[in-house]
Amino acid sequence: GNSVTQMEGPVTLSEEAFLTINCTYTATGYPSLFWYVQYPGEGLQLLLKATKADDKGSNKGFEATYRKETTSFHLEKGSVQVSDSAVYFCALTETDSWGKLQFGAGTQVVVTP
Amino acid sequence: GAVVSQHPSWVICKSGTSVKIECRSLDFQATTMFWYRQFPKQSLMLMATSNEGSKATYEQGVEKDKFLINHASLTLSTLTVTSAHPEDSSFYICSARPLTGLAFFGQGTRLTVV
Repeated sequence: GNSVTQMEGPVTLSEEAFLTINCTYTATGYPSLFWYVQYPGEGLQLLLKATKADDKGSNKGFEATYRKETTSFHLEKGSVQVSDSAVYFCALTETDSWGKLQFGAGTQVVVTP
Repeated sequence: GAVVSQHPSWVICKSGTSVKIECRSLDFQATTMFWYRQFPKQSLMLMATSNEGSKATYEQGVEKDKFLINHASLTLSTLTVTSAHPEDSSFYICSARPLTGLAFFGQGTRLTVV
């Protein structure tokens, strides 16, 4: 079956540091890949997505590239802010079950001033 | 953007009682709704998929008689945890999907059974 593995947290960074959260997946077909973010006390929000190999999703300074050869979708941001402190989830969905998401465990990111 | 409201945000109940959680799409019609649960430091796990007017489809290992899902309208789905026990304590989160496009998530419900 499908699965998503992402690095464990918490990840603690200083403001303006570079952030990488690793995510790898296994899937039987050709999934779409997502990063969701959950700020304290809020629901999950879609951060970015990529629907096919070599696509790059980007939003709010975050980027992730769909790498089919390494089955990865690592999230990066060049300079984090305190407001980026949140839990980040990597997820996938098969196109024939659109909306039915398989999530990674989530990675908590803490950015200190 | 699209808004999905989930209520309550947190609830504490006594063992043996039932708890209902509501998920509403406020500004779009949700043809499909999904219910997930998350144990501490673990992934969100899909429990069931419901389409408006039909019976929910449960994932393997999820007891349909314990987790009753109703999707009676295009803007409301409910999850009822029947005869709750401490092991049902978890974070429950819904998502709602319009006819086309991605699903939007509610803010989740923290259930504690004492």
